[in-house]
Amino acid sequence: DIQMTQSPSTLSASVGDRVTITCRASQSISIWLAWYQQKPGKAPKLLIYKASSLENGVPSRFSGSGSGTEFTLTISSLQPDDFATYYCQQYNSYSGTFGQGTKLEIK
Amino acid sequence: QLQLQESGPGLVKPSETLSLTCTVSGDSISSSSYYWAWIRQPPGKGLEWIGTIYSSGSTFYNPSLKSRVTISVDTSKNQLSLKVYSVTATDTAVYYCARPTVAGSAYDAFDIWGQGTTVTVSS
Repeated sequence: DIQMTQSPSTLSASVGDRVTITCRASQSISIWLAWYQQKPGKAPKLLIYKASSLENGVPSRFSGSGSGTEFTLTISSLQPDDFATYYCQQYNSYSGTFGQGTKLEIK
Repeated sequence: QLQLQESGPGLVKPSETLSLTCTVSGDSISSSSYYWAWIRQPPGKGLEWIGTIYSSGSTFYNPSLKSRVTISVDTSKNQLSLKVYSVTATDTAVYYCARPTVAGSAYDAFDIWGQGTTVTVSS
């Protein structure tokens, strides 16, 4: 099984900050990586697919990069609505493993 | 507009079978080229893919759950279902059905999700 490891687990930041979340795969997954945002009591929302493609309707302050085993999600200027938990997901293999999540908190 | 709606008992006793349904509206499972998936999230924890099914009945399961899970489709009702057998407290979770972004792709990112249904395993 492919394991996905996110870091950090928790991130404290302020409105306007630039933040980066990292996701590492235990083996190469090419570009088959997605990022989701989840708020309490809600289903995850797709932000990024194929490592760097922005889902329709997602603000351009979100961006993704990487390939192989290391990937990043960057929010260029945090907005109040961005404080949530973020998950990566690999879909190189059918098991579709998710990372353990990164909780983005207000500093 | 495509919508997914999960339903089923909110409380299941240990050792019994958890049974959930996902009703699809705005698209036809039988004529759609999409796969459909079940994903769960234990309280305060991350997401776990359970399995994926095509309208033909072809299925893929998470190896860690495969021995206890069955996913099926009822095209006449435009529904997919999930059964988890011999449940324990560790099966307590919010259960989601979801659709991948790409038609014909068994594993992909998920852009359409139901709102989720909470299942508690307790006596």
